[in-house]
Amino acid sequence: DARVTQTPRHKVTEMGQEVTMRCQPILGHNTVFWYRQTMMQGLELLAYFRNRAPLDDSGMPKDRFSAEMPDATLATLKIQPSEPRDSAVYFCASGPRTGRNTGELFFGEGSRLTVL
Amino acid sequence: DAKTTQPPSMDCAEGRAANLPCNHSTISGNEYVYWYRQIHSQGPQYIIHGLKNNETNEMASLIITEDRKSSTLILPHATLRDTAVYYCIVRVENDYKLSFGAGTTVTVRA
Repeated sequence: DARVTQTPRHKVTEMGQEVTMRCQPILGHNTVFWYRQTMMQGLELLAYFRNRAPLDDSGMPKDRFSAEMPDATLATLKIQPSEPRDSAVYFCASGPRTGRNTGELFFGEGSRLTVL
Repeated sequence: DAKTTQPPSMDCAEGRAANLPCNHSTISGNEYVYWYRQIHSQGPQYIIHGLKNNETNEMASLIITEDRKSSTLILPHATLRDTAVYYCIVRVENDYKLSFGAGTTVTVRA
């Protein structure tokens, strides 16, 4: 049963610390997305990649957030330094390569981040 | 720039059909209608999508009006596990981005 895997599932850290969240997309999927969800803002698209290349990261605060895909099996989202307002659930999703089903994204279970 | 309008919440009885409406009056000819749902504490889950024809799969049916300005997601026999937030999304094919609105919170009651 193919699924998107995210780690860590929960992270509590102190303001100013670096946080790295990892995502393993479904094998064969070539698009990867990072979303953030808060009660106030709902689900926000932070960044997305196609074939490991960043296509759009306009939703990310550039000064502290960075997203990369070191290889096809790993996507990372890093926050440095973290702030309390970054507390949220971060979701990774991956999507298939081509065809009419490119909108069928598969989401991971999320990484719940709490910054104190 | 919300492209879809959904009621904030609705209730339905277990075992009955749940009909979830969505308005997308400004939809373009190359935009698809997608439905996702998010069960509490889980990631969103794809349900179904369509362009202009009605669609059905093992989870739900999607009815799109002839003018494509609105659609209805039908859960034929709602169960308690269908309690979730349901998102209606309009997306250009191969655009790769999905933008989520506030959705409809559906509560299935026994």
